[in-house]
Amino acid sequence: DVKVTQSSRYLVKRTGEKVFLECVQDMDHENMFWYRQDPGLGLRLIYFSYDVKMKEKGDIPEGYSVSREKKERFSLILESASTNQTSMYLCASQRHNNYGYTFGSGTRLTVV
Amino acid sequence: DAKTTQPTSMDCAEGRAANLPCNHSTISGNEYVYWYRQIHSQGPQYIIHGLKNNETNEMASLIITEDRKSSTLILPHATLRDTAVYYCIVDFLAQGGSEKLVFGKGTKLTVNP
Repeated sequence: DVKVTQSSRYLVKRTGEKVFLECVQDMDHENMFWYRQDPGLGLRLIYFSYDVKMKEKGDIPEGYSVSREKKERFSLILESASTNQTSMYLCASQRHNNYGYTFGSGTRLTVV
Repeated sequence: DAKTTQPTSMDCAEGRAANLPCNHSTISGNEYVYWYRQIHSQGPQYIIHGLKNNETNEMASLIITEDRKSSTLILPHATLRDTAVYYCIVDFLAQGGSEKLVFGKGTKLTVNP
């Protein structure tokens, strides 16, 4: 089975810190995605990537950047963490278009 | 914005079939319908997807109407472990041809003993 691994299950950071959320998939998938999930708002797409070094903005990219230097790894970066970025962050990968996504278990980030 | 409409919640008795409806009246000819579910505190799990024809796998069946404006996910024998939020999603081809999924609010399915 495809595995999508997110480096941390829980994370607490201070306001203004630079935060890196790491996501690794082990099945050579082309596409990777970062979502955040908040009560009442559901899952919202932050950024996605369909190839190494390629990235596309999702619906809520402000305050975030991403990096995909290798096919298996997609990193989400919070340049200067703020309290409104406290959320559950979910990474997903997809073999290529028209295939199902595989999600990681999520990282619950708290910014204090 | 999500391109689908689902009921907010549904109940089902254990062992009975759960039929979850979804409306996607603005779907385009080359857009797929996907179903995912999310059990509390876990990442979403892929269930099934289809374009025009009905589909079946080990988890569920997907029935798509002939005009493709609606679909139904069928869990043939629901168990307590099927209690989850079920998302019906129409994919969206972003610039560059990559696909992205926009999740709506989903249907909270509760399977009762």
